[in-house]
Amino acid sequence: EVQLVESGGGLVKPGGSLRLSCAASGFTFSSYDMKWVRQAPGKGLEWVSCISSSSSYIYYADSVKGRFTISRDNAKNSLYLQMNSLRAEDTAVYYCVRREGMDVWGQGTTVTVSS
Amino acid sequence: DIQMTQSPSAMSASVGDRVTITCRASQGISNFLAWFQQKPGKVPKRLIYAASSLQSGVPSRFSGSGSGTEFTLTISSLQPEDFATYYCLQHNSYPHTFGQGTKLEIK
Repeated sequence: EVQLVESGGGLVKPGGSLRLSCAASGFTFSSYDMKWVRQAPGKGLEWVSCISSSSSYIYYADSVKGRFTISRDNAKNSLYLQMNSLRAEDTAVYYCVRREGMDVWGQGTTVTVSS
Repeated sequence: DIQMTQSPSAMSASVGDRVTITCRASQGISNFLAWFQQKPGKVPKRLIYAASSLQSGVPSRFSGSGSGTEFTLTISSLQPEDFATYYCLQHNSYPHTFGQGTKLEIK
């Protein structure tokens, strides 16, 4: 079964850091571009970042550029999102998503930025 | 950046109705468009990819059409389980952008 499982969310103070992880299984992880998408409470979906299969290209939304870093370890079938200088507006459910057309989603991990 | 304008933002309809939701792109995106359904507290589910291809396992009452800048999602005969929020996504260029969503409610 194709599966993505996120972890690492939690409550953090403004200015703090978190590292999200996504464990992939059931498919050849190293063959797919991967993304992070987030959804603030009661709001719509927002694309956050993308990394190509070999990490040769990486893109970020303007809202997180310079603060978030996406990475992957194909040997461990894992995707990561290092989030620094967190703000209240980063509060959201963060989803790990497979490929350009976003065909497979994880269950999400909740990040809350609050003092 | 490409803006995706989705309409309507909300609508009410009855079981059995035919429903159409539209997404307009601020510039041409070929057919790099997908549609998603999200129910409250649940993970988004892809319904349509490449503008008009039905995702495996999705009922055939869902269909997508369009190319370039104008796209539609049609539900031919609404079922009770279809009441949800729908989003379009363009993945022609970065940043990828979603429409603002259409909340479909029971009349």
